[in-house]
Amino acid sequence: TQLLEQSPQFLSIQEGENLTVYCNSSSVFSSLQWYRQEPGEGPVLLVTVVTGGEVKKLKRLTFQFGDARKDSSLHITAAQPGDTGLYLCAGPTNTGNQFYFGTGTSLTVIP
Amino acid sequence: DSGVTQTPKHLITATGQRVTLRCSPRSGDLSVYWYQQSLDQGLQFLIQYYNGEERAKGNILERFSAQQFPDLHSELNLSSLELGDSALYFCASSPRDRRSYEQYFGPGTRLTVT
Repeated sequence: TQLLEQSPQFLSIQEGENLTVYCNSSSVFSSLQWYRQEPGEGPVLLVTVVTGGEVKKLKRLTFQFGDARKDSSLHITAAQPGDTGLYLCAGPTNTGNQFYFGTGTSLTVIP
Repeated sequence: DSGVTQTPKHLITATGQRVTLRCSPRSGDLSVYWYQQSLDQGLQFLIQYYNGEERAKGNILERFSAQQFPDLHSELNLSSLELGDSALYFCASSPRDRRSYEQYFGPGTRLTVT
């Protein structure tokens, strides 16, 4: 069982559609980060959210950290083929000494 | 380009062998993290070093060890290799010790154990 569960696991949509990816845990995280990874490459940091309830926008991407700091979401507006990739949430728990990555959401945007 | 370099890019070896993976962090970053990524386990945190000292341990096997040198580069040693150790191994660096701060990942080393 992974500490950070993401849903959906796979998502295939048409260009221009909107989508939301969820990252959930039963543990409290001191912060959560979102990364995007392309095949054969390392994850690239998109954003860090620190405060419960925080919302951050990065162009067409909107990130939200849950009030209880146990969950987060990533919303993409008007998806483009360049958004294709594996999206990963990640973070350190409040009490633990480790850094956890989510199970991942593989997004494919069809032109 | 994240500024983190990893060598080699690919490594093919046999079961029972030992290999060393190398990572150079971004200029100025003091923290180095190692991760293993496989299809069935996803991205798993192995170990973190900060300025030469071990800071945190994750799901790292006893057959694996790491160190960070005075020039801040790090090496991950994998011994008595098994087929199940085949995976992508990533190194990441961060300017700070706290794991809440962003990490910058290298391109990875793909290890194949035959």
